Amino acid sequence: AQSVTQLGSHVSVSEGALVLLRCNYSSSVPPYLFWYVQYPNQGLQLLLKYTSAATLVKGINGFEAEFKKSETSFHLTKPSAHMSDAAEYFCAVSYPAGQNFVFGPGTRLSVLP
Amino acid sequence: GAGVSQSPSNKVTEKGKDVELRCDPISGHTALYWYRQSLGQGLEFLIYFQGNSAPDKSGLPSDRFSAERTGGSVSTLTIQRTQQEDSAVYLCASSYPRTGSAVDSPLHFGNGTRLTVT
Repeated sequence: AQSVTQLGSHVSVSEGALVLLRCNYSSSVPPYLFWYVQYPNQGLQLLLKYTSAATLVKGINGFEAEFKKSETSFHLTKPSAHMSDAAEYFCAVSYPAGQNFVFGPGTRLSVLP
Repeated sequence: GAGVSQSPSNKVTEKGKDVELRCDPISGHTALYWYRQSLGQGLEFLIYFQGNSAPDKSGLPSDRFSAERTGGSVSTLTIQRTQQEDSAVYLCASSYPRTGSAVDSPLHFGNGTRLTVT
């Protein structure tokens, strides 16, 4: 079964520091890949997506992610963290022949002043 | 509003009661999903509707759970004889598949219904 792993249920960074949130998927078939952000008491919002175009994808709020097929990874990065980036981040995958999305367990990002 | 709307935002019910959760998707979105998010957990797929096709019910955890979508728009998730383990946030999402497949189109989520079973 397809699965998504997000290493680190909780990541803390200082304001201005690099943000790196990890996502790995398990599949031999190239998937579509998404990162979503969830603020408290809200639904999820799309940050960025990869659907077989450029492997480096730029999203909103200064985030970007790189699809690495050899590593089955789609890590999310941001050069400089802001306090407003504190939220829960979910990686999700889907497959061209499928109908559904599989979400990772999420990573809670804390930004320290 | 232009977003996905869910109601109620919060629901407290007694064990054994039935509950109905409502989702109004974005107008024109043909795909609609229900997910369940338990405390500290990821999203658990429940059910998927796409146009007039038969829904994918493979994620429903028991026969106490059911959902329908009327007129290709509003959806209702019903939980019968609620149990304490049903307590969670229920999220609805919709999308407009550009290519006929829903899986390359991003999901637009509502703010969820927080269900508490006492």
